[in-house]
Amino acid sequence: AQSVTQLDSHVSVSEGTPVLLRCNYSSSYSPSLFWYVQHPNKGLQLLLKYTSAATLVKGINGFEAEFKKSETSFHLTKPSAHMSDAAEYFCVVSYRDDKIIFGKGTRLHILP
Amino acid sequence: GAGVSQSPSNKVTEKGKDVELRCDPISGHTALYWYRQRLGQGLEFLIYFQGNSAPDKSGLPSDRFSAERTGESVSTLTIQRTQQEDSAVYLCASSDLGGGPAGELFFGEGSRLTVL
Repeated sequence: AQSVTQLDSHVSVSEGTPVLLRCNYSSSYSPSLFWYVQHPNKGLQLLLKYTSAATLVKGINGFEAEFKKSETSFHLTKPSAHMSDAAEYFCVVSYRDDKIIFGKGTRLHILP
Repeated sequence: GAGVSQSPSNKVTEKGKDVELRCDPISGHTALYWYRQRLGQGLEFLIYFQGNSAPDKSGLPSDRFSAERTGESVSTLTIQRTQQEDSAVYLCASSDLGGGPAGELFFGEGSRLTVL
């Protein structure tokens, strides 16, 4: 069955240190992959997307993600965390049969 | 309109009453999704409309929940005989599939439902 797994429900990092949010997907065939962010009491916003072009995808607010087919991963990274990055992050996978699958989310906490 | 529009933004109702939530997708978007997000939780898929195909209702939690969509326009999510556990933010999203893999989802601001 098609699935997406966000390995951590909560991640805490200090301001100015790197961020790594992990996402793995099932590998029926080449998916499209997305990361969305949801700030407290706000709607969901697209951070970045991969749709079979370059494997390293750059998004807004300094985030990027790398599609690794051999590892079926699409981890989200940022070199230096900012307090404003505190939010819920969702990894999303879509397949050619149009099914869109959301991960359960990772809540990112930024420590001062 | 420019984005996905949902109404009402906030709804407080009494247990046992029926509620209707409306979603107006981006013009031309063939795909429309409803999700539920309980406080502090992730997104729970409810229902998916794609053009004139039969909707994917596999996420509806009970027969009290139903949704309709007229063509590729407005969708209405109806919850009958509301229960306190129905309290959540109901999110609508639309997407332009364009015949290929599902594309970017555009979300509305959500309808916050509180059942007293």
